[in-house]
Amino acid sequence: DQQVKQNSPSLSVQEGRISILNCDYTNSMFDYFLWYKKYPAEGPTFLISISSIKDKNEDGRFTVFLNKSAKHLSLHIVPSQPGDSAVYFCAVRSTNFGNEKLTFGTGTRLTIIP
Amino acid sequence: DTAVSQTPKYLVTQMGNDKSIKCEQNLGHDTMYWYKQDSKKFLKIMFSYNNKELIINETVPNRFSPKSPDKAHLNLHINSLELGDSAVYFCASRRQGAYNEQFFGPGTRLTVL
Repeated sequence: DQQVKQNSPSLSVQEGRISILNCDYTNSMFDYFLWYKKYPAEGPTFLISISSIKDKNEDGRFTVFLNKSAKHLSLHIVPSQPGDSAVYFCAVRSTNFGNEKLTFGTGTRLTIIP
Repeated sequence: DTAVSQTPKYLVTQMGNDKSIKCEQNLGHDTMYWYKQDSKKFLKIMFSYNNKELIINETVPNRFSPKSPDKAHLNLHINSLELGDSAVYFCASRRQGAYNEQFFGPGTRLTVL
């Protein structure tokens, strides 16, 4: 039972344009949402996050939007650069007695076309 | 200077063997994790340790036994390896705190023949 879904396995975007990656989740109890970026043969690296009390968080070219009523999370990258080509995972956090657990989506492979 | 390191990076072995993967973090973090990424690219948590104590065990077969000799190390020992254990295993660590992210190691690709 997938609690976190990234329905687009891949996405191609022209350099300089906006990349929009989407993520849907099922459980309204998740309280913290993160995006990770992964290059081949490397571990995921943290990109940006948002808590459930906010609907937007911006960090340079990266903005994460949270729509709690729709249980939807999106990552906007603008302008897109060739170095942004990677697999992007969304992750949602649940907390049990102070212990954190992250559940990841299956990832979206983003390719930036020069 | 590597923050979370894993050894080995690649491991090829026969069914039925016992093998270990080591993980070390030099970030001073309190909590460490093991994740498995299978052939369908699902990245799933297996275990979590906080200050050397097991706090999450996601119904992983008991052939998998994590060991944390100290806060900086979390090793994964696997007995009687099966074909389905083939995957990439990632170690991660995190500092305690409400909004601190997890830092991942480079992964260990395990292939069971």
